[in-house]
Amino acid sequence: GAVVSQHPSRVICKSGTSVKIECRSLDFQATTMFWYRQFPKQSLMLMATSNEGSKATYEQGVEKDKFLINHASLTLSTLTVTSAHPEDSSFYICSASSPAGGNSPLHFGNGTRLTVT
Amino acid sequence: GQNIDQPTEMTATEGAIVQINCTYQTSGFNGLFWYQQHAGEAPTFLSYNVLDGLEEKGRFSSFLSRSKGYSYLLLKELQMKDSASYLCAVRDSNYQLIWGAGTKLIIKP
Repeated sequence: GAVVSQHPSRVICKSGTSVKIECRSLDFQATTMFWYRQFPKQSLMLMATSNEGSKATYEQGVEKDKFLINHASLTLSTLTVTSAHPEDSSFYICSASSPAGGNSPLHFGNGTRLTVT
Repeated sequence: GQNIDQPTEMTATEGAIVQINCTYQTSGFNGLFWYQQHAGEAPTFLSYNVLDGLEEKGRFSSFLSRSKGYSYLLLKELQMKDSASYLCAVRDSNYQLIWGAGTKLIIKP
């Protein structure tokens, strides 16, 4: 089945630094990938939709200059958290749909646990 | 607005059956998904319904009634490893996924 790989799985960084998270579709081409954030005991919150070769679409309230998304190829999207602060500490998850048709589910990466100290 | 409702938490006994309900109000409908999410992990796909009726997959079944805006996930022969959150998600007319807040299922021995 479709596999999505996300790296790193955990990262601890100091306040003010930037962190890059990679999301790869391993066995299919993903023209669209999705970035989610999940705080403890809360549901998934869509941050942005990453489109290959074009600008990402951000959800309301998500700062595009803080969360930089690049989808340079059909198998790779990256999310960079710039000038991270403790309130950015969260579980970030990427996902993609395999191009199998309308009923294809989202396949998720394993997530990245970001801790900003 | 778009809304998906699920119970926040449910408790069941090992070996028993539990039904997790999901009601939705969305702009259009292009399928309903159920995902399982263990604490600290990403969601994994469980089932998909786009037509009315029951879809069975091993110990898990999912039901859909589009006219009622209603679905349920049925888990049989519960095992301790089934303790997780179960997320209901609906794909709307724009093929956007609308997520429920999830139901935390606690299995007791």
